[in-house]
Amino acid sequence: DTEVTQTPKHLVMGMTNKKSLKCEQHMGHRAMYWYKQKAKKPPELMFVYSYEKLSINESVPSRFSPECPNSSLLNLHLHALQPEDSALYLCASSQDAPGTSGNTIYFGEGSWLTVV
Amino acid sequence: AQSVTQLDSQVPVFEEAPVELRCNYSSSVSVYLFWYVQYPNQGLQLLLKYLSGSTLVKGINGFEAEFNKSQTSFHLRKPSVHISDTAEYFCAVSGRNFNKFYFGSGTKLNVKP
Repeated sequence: DTEVTQTPKHLVMGMTNKKSLKCEQHMGHRAMYWYKQKAKKPPELMFVYSYEKLSINESVPSRFSPECPNSSLLNLHLHALQPEDSALYLCASSQDAPGTSGNTIYFGEGSWLTVV
Repeated sequence: AQSVTQLDSQVPVFEEAPVELRCNYSSSVSVYLFWYVQYPNQGLQLLLKYLSGSTLVKGINGFEAEFNKSQTSFHLRKPSVHISDTAEYFCAVSGRNFNKFYFGSGTKLNVKP
């Protein structure tokens, strides 16, 4: 079973709103990721949590704030977003930290975010 | 630095025809290679991966890929495509001590009836 569950599937928010995206996996994976994907582009890495600690932040603006409450859950808190932040946000997980031999990333279905 | 090149942004093909999606990578160290498929309005699904061993890798939905170290390629093939194979396909590379996956720009496979 390689399932990563994301909620909500669709989110529309105003530029002054505060909202959160949620991600859950029950595969015992120790690394979790947030990616952003614009139309017709590959996913772009935003954050990596490894063993519940933030290990990579790809210079993401502070209006995106990740949180890893435990090894199964990953949140992305959104505040004061801009229309250009509208995109598909993908959560992913892997058995081990990036760079580990044979590590494979499994993706969720994504959350479609529209900022108005 | 690592990079992945998918030269074909779009590949149109008729149903039941064979198809090859090309992927080349640049790396000076040993790599792991992956193909992901993204159907419209969905997330990415792992098709197949090469970690070590046999250079011919079989994946889901009848796809296979061959790792060619001398040509630094990992092309994806299917002998007979279906309409349902219409999707975006991403090649990705990782490796020991890589801090992340590197994705190609994607190839849109458009299967026509």
